[in-house]
Amino acid sequence: DAGVTQSPTHLIKTRGQQVTLRCSPKSGHDTVSWYQQALGQGPQFIFQYYEEEERQRGNFPDRFSGHQFPNYSSELNVNALLLGDSALYLCASSQDRINEKLFFGSGTQLSVL
Amino acid sequence: SQKIEQNSEALNIQEGKTATLTCNYTNYSPAYLQWYRQDPGRGPVFLLLIRENEKEKRKERLKVTFDTTLKQSLFHITASQPADSATYLCALDTSNDYKLSFGAGTTVTVRA
Repeated sequence: DAGVTQSPTHLIKTRGQQVTLRCSPKSGHDTVSWYQQALGQGPQFIFQYYEEEERQRGNFPDRFSGHQFPNYSSELNVNALLLGDSALYLCASSQDRINEKLFFGSGTQLSVL
Repeated sequence: SQKIEQNSEALNIQEGKTATLTCNYTNYSPAYLQWYRQDPGRGPVFLLLIRENEKEKRKERLKVTFDTTLKQSLFHITASQPADSATYLCALDTSNDYKLSFGAGTTVTVRA
C-alpha cells in the first residue's frame, strides 16, 4: 500500500516564475492538506482540499492556489515566486477532513533564486 | 494571538537516559494534541495523539501527558537510543476549523 507520494522531490525556480507541485494521498484517504516548512520551523498550514474544493485556508496570499481531482490527488500552484517561498512543501492526507494521525509525504524542496 | 512553543534549544542526551520535551500553547482550546517525528529531508511521522479528557498516553518507550489547565504537554522518550535522534513536533487542532498548527520542533540527539 503506497503512502503519500509527492513530486517532484526537488525544484529550482527563479523569482517571478510559477510552480506546480503534485501529491497523491494514501490509499483510502479523501482529504489533502498542504503545508510549507521553512528551515528550522514547523510546518505552516496552507490549505485543505476535500471533495475537490478548498475547505480551509491558512494565512497565505492568493498566489498560493490548489486543486483536487476526482481521484483525490492534488496540486499546489504558486505564482509570482518570491525568494521567501523557498521551503519544503509537504502534503498530508487523511479521511473526512479529520486532522488526526496525518500521513505526510516526503515533500518537495523548492528553491527560488 | 495563538502560539505554540516547544523547547527552544536542542536536547543532547546520553543513550539510555530519558528525554523530556515540552509543548506549551496559548490562546488555543485544543480538542487533542499530537506528536510527530521528523527526520532530515523527510515528512513528519505520526507518533501519538492525546485528547483533552486524557491525562497520559503511552506507546512502547514513548509517553505523553496533557494538562489543559497548564496548557502544556510533555513528551518523554525513555531508555533513549541513537535511533531516536530526530526533530519532534507537537501539533494542535481545535476540531472547529480543521487547521492543524505545529510548533517549531525540538531536535533530540542521543549519544551512544
